[in-house]
Amino acid sequence: QKEVEQNSGPLSVPEGAIASLNCTYSDRGSQSFFWYRQYSGKSPELIMFIYSNGDKEDGRFTAQLNKASQYVSLLIRDSQPSDSATYLCAVNTGNQFYFGTGTSLTVIP
Amino acid sequence: DADVTQTPRNRITKTGKRIMLECSQTKGHDRMYWYRQDPGLGLRLIYYSFDVKDINKGEISDGYSVSRQAQAKFSLSLESAIPNQTALYFCATSDLGSVPYNEQFFGPGTRLTVL
Repeated sequence: QKEVEQNSGPLSVPEGAIASLNCTYSDRGSQSFFWYRQYSGKSPELIMFIYSNGDKEDGRFTAQLNKASQYVSLLIRDSQPSDSATYLCAVNTGNQFYFGTGTSLTVIP
Repeated sequence: DADVTQTPRNRITKTGKRIMLECSQTKGHDRMYWYRQDPGLGLRLIYYSFDVKDINKGEISDGYSVSRQAQAKFSLSLESAIPNQTALYFCATSDLGSVPYNEQFFGPGTRLTVL
């Protein structure tokens, strides 16, 4: 079983819609959780981090964490074509980061 | 100026050659990491270092070695390159002091092709 699992997609949404990205993790001792955005051929850049159960909002982005279900999600409201990228979920277990394989998102104008 | 730099940015080499990828950072972070990224496989950890005297193997260390020359420098070597080491390589850093939410900062990547 992989440490972090994501649906690889591709996920397509129309411009202005809500995009929902999901991630599950296996280590119950995981401490913090991250969402990175990666454009093709570029390095990952941090969008959100969360470490407490519940929701965390930053602009159009909302991260949700449910430690009991070992589940992390990212909601992107009012999706824009510039949001088209691969989104990586990452989990910090204390000593190591584990990344999911990423979900490819396309926002259709 | 970039906080995490990698050299070279692109490299084409032949099977059997020794290759070194270099990473430098000005963020003052203690922790440095090397990852490789392949299509469909995500980011996989090769080696990581928590300080100059600390080196740890990651998920896929076979065929690679590293050197932490200073707090700011972490090099990855392929002793005898083989074609399945063709990938995009990223260096990353993180700050020991900001656990539990210590994000990783990535360099721009090195695209390595082994013929």
